[in-house]
Amino acid sequence: LAKTTQPISMDSYEGQEVNITCSHNNIATNDYITWYQQFPSQGPRFIIQGYKTKVTNEVASLFIPADRKSSTLSLPRVSLSDTAVYYCLVYSNSGNTPLVFGKGTRLSVIA
Amino acid sequence: SAVISQKPSRDICQRGTSLTIQCQVDSQVTMMFWYRQQPGQSLTLIATANQGSEATYESGFVIDKFPISRPNLTFSTLTVSNMSPEDSSIYLCSVEGRLNTGELFFGEGSRLTVL
Repeated sequence: LAKTTQPISMDSYEGQEVNITCSHNNIATNDYITWYQQFPSQGPRFIIQGYKTKVTNEVASLFIPADRKSSTLSLPRVSLSDTAVYYCLVYSNSGNTPLVFGKGTRLSVIA
Repeated sequence: SAVISQKPSRDICQRGTSLTIQCQVDSQVTMMFWYRQQPGQSLTLIATANQGSEATYESGFVIDKFPISRPNLTFSTLTVSNMSPEDSSIYLCSVEGRLNTGELFFGEGSRLTVL
């Protein structure tokens, strides 16, 4: 499994765009990049997943360069309710490989 | 999506006792996962539970300490045996969404405090 590295914490003001970058240098051909969000006292929640280029949904965008060794989760115009821990994971669809969570990035949104 | 219910949501236990956590899913799923999250830490996978077979444990976790049952496709239990204060943690049950997509659904967790 590819190891992921992401910043431990980030701060942002409300209304700003937040970009969280994750490194996964050893990503394999069958691996997908998945991001989760976790609020205090709750289980993690799936946000977005991608393989390459750009993926966008109603919550976030995910940018993946051609070499796929990193990815960037983009949260547009954050609000206080986006304060959470964000986890980047690499997932292999080649078999029954369980998800391994890294340390995550603690995002604090300030008014 | 899947709705996952865990019981108990929290408990305070005495050292040396055992506690069983239940996980109920509103749909049939092949694989269920048990994670542990210690205070302020990330999630650590304990084991993967498939119906009809022995659970597969990750490094550092053993069946004697964390026995798991998976009697059917909607239910699983995790027992934390002979508890010590180091077992104080949140235990989370999760299931896979769409097959082989990396999309997991989690329960709210069971917060366990061992005195």
